[in-house]
Amino acid sequence: GQNIDQPTEMTATEGAIVQINCTYQTSGFNGLFWYQQHAGEAPTFLSYNVLDGLEEKGRFSSFLSRSKGYSYLLLKELQMKDSASYLCAVRDSNYQLIWGAGTKLIIKP
Amino acid sequence: DAGVIQSPRHEVTEMGQEVTLRCKPISGHDYLFWYRQTMMRGLELLIYFNNNVPIDDSGMPEDRFSAKMPNASFSTLKIQPSEPRDSAVYFCASSLAGREDSYEQYFGPGTRLTVT
Repeated sequence: GQNIDQPTEMTATEGAIVQINCTYQTSGFNGLFWYQQHAGEAPTFLSYNVLDGLEEKGRFSSFLSRSKGYSYLLLKELQMKDSASYLCAVRDSNYQLIWGAGTKLIIKP
Repeated sequence: DAGVIQSPRHEVTEMGQEVTLRCKPISGHDYLFWYRQTMMRGLELLIYFNNNVPIDDSGMPEDRFSAKMPNASFSTLKIQPSEPRDSAVYFCASSLAGREDSYEQYFGPGTRLTVT
């Protein structure tokens, strides 16, 4: 079967750095996405990786290792507004997105 | 562009009633997706369309659920009859040629459905 694993919840301090991991087992791989979802709102796109390595976008970076079935989202200089759920999604061989359950990130002052 | 538009934003109905959720995708997008999100099951893909044609409805829970896309700017998700376990947030999303590169999905604000 297809499976995406993420920690359920993480806590970090304002101004710090946090890494959210995602491991996946899917039938094929055609890219990995990270989405942010604030409580009561829709998911919004953060990043996309299809090749191994690090993609940096401002305070957020995303890393992919296809051989290990592993990705992480790195958030730097955390702000209170970063409190949200972070969803990892993998596009499989049928080009469908398989979604993880999401990681709820709590930022404390 | 106004983004993906969904209506209603909230729906409360009694078990057994018919529910119709509506979605207007972003103009020019080729793909339209219907999702359901609950605390227990997370985000689940119900069905998606490419150029108004349903491609994969394997995520539709049962025959009580049906979806249509009569034209490029409108889609509906219907539940008949509704049951309490259908209570969830239903999202519509759209994207450009979904098989390509980094074309992300843009989500609507969702419809929060409560079936009593």
